[in-house]
Amino acid sequence: ETVMTQSPATLSVSPGERATLSCRASQDVRSNVAWYQQKPGQAPRLLISGASTRANGIPARFSGVGSGTEFTLTISSLQSDDFAVYYCQQYHDWLTFGGGTKVEIK
Amino acid sequence: EVQLVQSGAEVKKPGESLKISCKGSGYIFTNYWIGWVRQMPGKGLEWMGIIYAGDSDDRYSPSFQGQVTISVDKSINTAYLQWTSLTASDSAMYYCARPRVAALRDAFDVWGQGTLVTVSS
Repeated sequence: ETVMTQSPATLSVSPGERATLSCRASQDVRSNVAWYQQKPGQAPRLLISGASTRANGIPARFSGVGSGTEFTLTISSLQSDDFAVYYCQQYHDWLTFGGGTKVEIK
Repeated sequence: EVQLVQSGAEVKKPGESLKISCKGSGYIFTNYWIGWVRQMPGKGLEWMGIIYAGDSDDRYSPSFQGQVTISVDKSINTAYLQWTSLTASDSAMYYCARPRVAALRDAFDVWGQGTLVTVSS
């Protein structure tokens, strides 16, 4: 089973600043990585698929890069609506999620 | 509008059985797989398994194989997640989700609202 490891577990950022979230796969997953945002009491929402393709309606301040085993989600200028938990997921070797990164207000 | 609507919250006792549902609408239900995801209180997302609505072909995460059963009734566009004997450790939020494309492995772009299952004596 492919293990997805996210870092950091918690990221404290001020509104307007950039946030960089990392996700590492235990083996090569090509570009088969998605990123999700989850707010309290809500279902996850797809942000990025194919490591870098934004889902419908996702603002351009969200961007993803990576392939193989190293992936990054960047939020270029954090808005108040962006404080949430973010999960990466690989779908190359079945389906596994990372443990999540909580983005909180600094 | 493409959507998945899940059944309501459940409170059960240990040892009881349970079947929760996920009804799809707004798309051709039988063309897609439907997955189930567990989220224990305060924890992350865990993929449990997935089923093809067209022919009930299913796959399970090794962590959940034998612990739950996923099924589908394509006549009513509904997928199910079932337990035969619940334990307290099954207390969690359960989400159904549909992949972005009609493929076994892809990102989930449509999610149900979640079903909260509480198991307590």
